[in-house]
Amino acid sequence: DTEVTQTPKHLVMGMTNKKSLKCEQHMGHRAMYWYKQKAKKPPELMFVYSYEKLSINESVPSRFSPECPNSSLLNLHLHALQPEDSALYLCASKNWDRPNYGYTFGSGTRLTVV
Amino acid sequence: KQEVTQIPAALSVPEGENLVLNCSFTDSAIYNLQWFRQDPGKGLTSLLLIQSSQREQTSGRLNASLDKSSGRSTLYIAASQPGDSATYLCARNQFYFGTGTSLTVIP
Repeated sequence: DTEVTQTPKHLVMGMTNKKSLKCEQHMGHRAMYWYKQKAKKPPELMFVYSYEKLSINESVPSRFSPECPNSSLLNLHLHALQPEDSALYLCASKNWDRPNYGYTFGSGTRLTVV
Repeated sequence: KQEVTQIPAALSVPEGENLVLNCSFTDSAIYNLQWFRQDPGKGLTSLLLIQSSQREQTSGRLNASLDKSSGRSTLYIAASQPGDSATYLCARNQFYFGTGTSLTVIP
């Protein structure tokens, strides 16, 4: 299995809702990432987990809460989002111990906040 | 914020042409540079990764080079095909993405 799987593919949520995005990989990668991508813009790094511990938080608002319950799974919990948080949320993984190898990205979750 | 700039922002070429995409970065502390393609509304597909100790990498019709002293990387696409149409992104140190080049190859 050489894929990063993200679910759901599309999500519409109200500003008072609580939802979660899920990312899963079975490649044994110990680094996992969340990116946010607005239309026609490059991906922006949100969080980095290495060995299931949060190693980088790029000053992301607390309404986004990441969680890495095990080495294969990465969640992004969403609460009280704003319409400007609507974007494509991308998950990626990497073999932390092999810097010569690059990222593998999931296909993303298209989030719309209404 | 790390600045990574890609020029041109958009490019349209006829099928069969060779083309060069440019990526510039302002911080000389570079460990690697990775090139990706992204189809509309989709995730990113990794194309080539160049370590700081390397000068170039090749895969099929793609060749990527890295010049740390000038803060530049180029992606060369030979004999372009309509299937190459996509947005091409470079990423410095695998965290910081460039602004992207939208490529259209006209049949």
